[in-house]
Amino acid sequence: AQSVTQLGSHVSVSEGALVLLRCNYSSSVPPYLFWYVQYPNQGLQLLLKYTSAATLVKGINGFEAEFKKSETSFHLTKPSAHMSDAAEYFCAVRDTGGFKTIFGAGTRLFVKA
Amino acid sequence: DTAVSQTPKYLVTQMGNDKSIKCEQNLGHDTMYWYKQDSKKFLKIMFSYNNKELIINETVPNRFSPKSPDKAHLNLHINSLELGDSAVYFCASSQDTGAQGSPLHFGNGTRLTVT
Repeated sequence: AQSVTQLGSHVSVSEGALVLLRCNYSSSVPPYLFWYVQYPNQGLQLLLKYTSAATLVKGINGFEAEFKKSETSFHLTKPSAHMSDAAEYFCAVRDTGGFKTIFGAGTRLFVKA
Repeated sequence: DTAVSQTPKYLVTQMGNDKSIKCEQNLGHDTMYWYKQDSKKFLKIMFSYNNKELIINETVPNRFSPKSPDKAHLNLHINSLELGDSAVYFCASSQDTGAQGSPLHFGNGTRLTVT
């Protein structure tokens, strides 16, 4: 069965510092992988997705993620954090040909001035 | 234009009552979902419909009954509400049924509080 593990329920960085949010997945078949962001009192918005075209995926707002099959990882990074990046981030996995998208527990990103 | 819209945004009710949440999407998608987000932000899929046909029915109490009158609408009716039903319920839609890995488009959620 597919699953997603996000390491660290809370991550705190200073404005301008590197953002690294970790995600490991488990899937019996090559998966589709996603990162979503949730701002307070809003629904989730897609940041980026991996669908096997390229291992390094660029998303919105300067975020990118790298798919590493050998490590079953899909970590999210951003070179320089901005105050507006403070939000909850979710990694998600979906099997090819499947209907379900399974979400990780989320990582809350805090950005300090 | 709001792509996925849910009503109401807030719902406060007493235990034992019956309530409904409505969802509509104007993206032309063929698959719609209900997710439940608990107080710790954990998201769990509840149901999914593809072209009005139920395709995902997770382990959810049968007090919860989804209905899809057409592929643009997916409603959720909850009977005999319990304290543990308090959560944020999200509606979402996607274009495909899994083959292309299309992402989910979420509504802004309905915060249900049962007292």
